[in-house]
Amino acid sequence: DIQMTQSPSTLSASVGDRVTITCRASQSISGWVAWYQQKGGKAPKLLIHKASRLESGVPSRFSGSGSETEFTLTISSLQPDDFATYYCQQYETYSLLTFGGGTKVEIK
Amino acid sequence: QVQLVESGGGVVQPGRSLRLSCAVSGVPFTTYGMHWVRQAPGKGPEWVAATSYDGKHKYFAHSVQGRFTISRDNSRNTLYLHMDSLRAEDTAVYYCAGGYDALTQYWGQGTLVIVSS
Repeated sequence: DIQMTQSPSTLSASVGDRVTITCRASQSISGWVAWYQQKGGKAPKLLIHKASRLESGVPSRFSGSGSETEFTLTISSLQPDDFATYYCQQYETYSLLTFGGGTKVEIK
Repeated sequence: QVQLVESGGGVVQPGRSLRLSCAVSGVPFTTYGMHWVRQAPGKGPEWVAATSYDGKHKYFAHSVQGRFTISRDNSRNTLYLHMDSLRAEDTAVYYCAGGYDALTQYWGQGTLVIVSS
């Protein structure tokens, strides 16, 4: 099974900060990585797919990069609405999707 | 407007069964792979099961293999999850999600399943 190791688990930042979250896959997944934002008991919301493709309607301050086993989500200038928990996910095949452990972005 | 609406959750005793449904509209359901993902209280999401667009291929997490069944009715744009031999550790919010290939692009609002005596 492919494991996704996400770091940090918690991140304290201020409005306007540049924020980076990292996910490491236990084996190469050829860019089949998605990033989600989750707030307050709601369903995860897709931000990025195929490692770097911005989902329609998602602000351009969100970006994704990486390949093989190392992937990052960057928020270029943190906004008040961005304080949430973020998850990476690998979806290389239907047979076993896996999520990272999550990163909670808190107000500093 | 994309809508995925889960139903069927509730409180159930250990060892009993439950069936969840997910009604889908606003997307080409018959061309989408569909998934069930659950989230236990205070935990991250955990993928549970998936079915290909035509229902011919089905996949399960190790934790539910042999106890849960996934199915779909493309004539009704509806996804199902049949859960047998429920355990306390199956307690979670269950989301249906779907998209092209294996991507969970769209998600429902979730339905809560509590397994307790």
